[in-house]
Amino acid sequence: AQKITQTQPGMFVQEKEAVTLDCTYDTSDQSYGLFWYKQPSSGEMIFLIYQGSYDEQNATEGRYSLNFQKARKSANLVISASQLGDSAMYFCAMREATGRRALTFGSGTRLQVQP
Amino acid sequence: EADIYQTPRYLVIGTGKKITLECSQTMGHDKMYWYQQDPGMELHLIHYSYGVNSTEKGDLSSESTVSRIRTEHFPLTLESARPSHTSQYLCASSESSGRALDEQFFGPGTRLTVL
Repeated sequence: AQKITQTQPGMFVQEKEAVTLDCTYDTSDQSYGLFWYKQPSSGEMIFLIYQGSYDEQNATEGRYSLNFQKARKSANLVISASQLGDSAMYFCAMREATGRRALTFGSGTRLQVQP
Repeated sequence: EADIYQTPRYLVIGTGKKITLECSQTMGHDKMYWYQQDPGMELHLIHYSYGVNSTEKGDLSSESTVSRIRTEHFPLTLESARPSHTSQYLCASSESSGRALDEQFFGPGTRLTVL
């Protein structure tokens, strides 16, 4: 069974500063995928970034980067130069390597960017 | 750009009514999913489908049922709605290419309130 843990229910950050959202995971699979999604108050899920378990380099997408530490089973999201529009819920998720390939989600972190 | 649609976006209905939440995608994806999300909480898989005429229950027990008669359409039905069914329901689809990413695209969600 896969498990995702996000220990920060809420985070505050000043506009233009960087923020790290924590995510740890547990799985017995050798091959897996890790995802981060953003969910604004409107409710849709917006894909941000992906890291494969065999990827040697940390993933980056614009202002988003994923700090992947495989030995520690952590996949923290780093948002640089925070903007007011970054205020939202952020979910870390893991996808099964085979079969249905469904996502297992963490409980989320609510990020509030302050001006 | 994700082409996955859900209707209605919001639904308020009385106890005992039969409801169907619609989900359709135009990307030709074989795999489709339904997730349930209580306010401020993580998403849980309730149904998934590998393709036409293939549906399975997910990890979270649900009284809802699904069907997959056409590739693009994956409706969810509640025969008799109850207040405990109040939640957000998110539909998703993904390719089956076997590539590592095979991103899941989410619809905008349906917020269901049962009075």
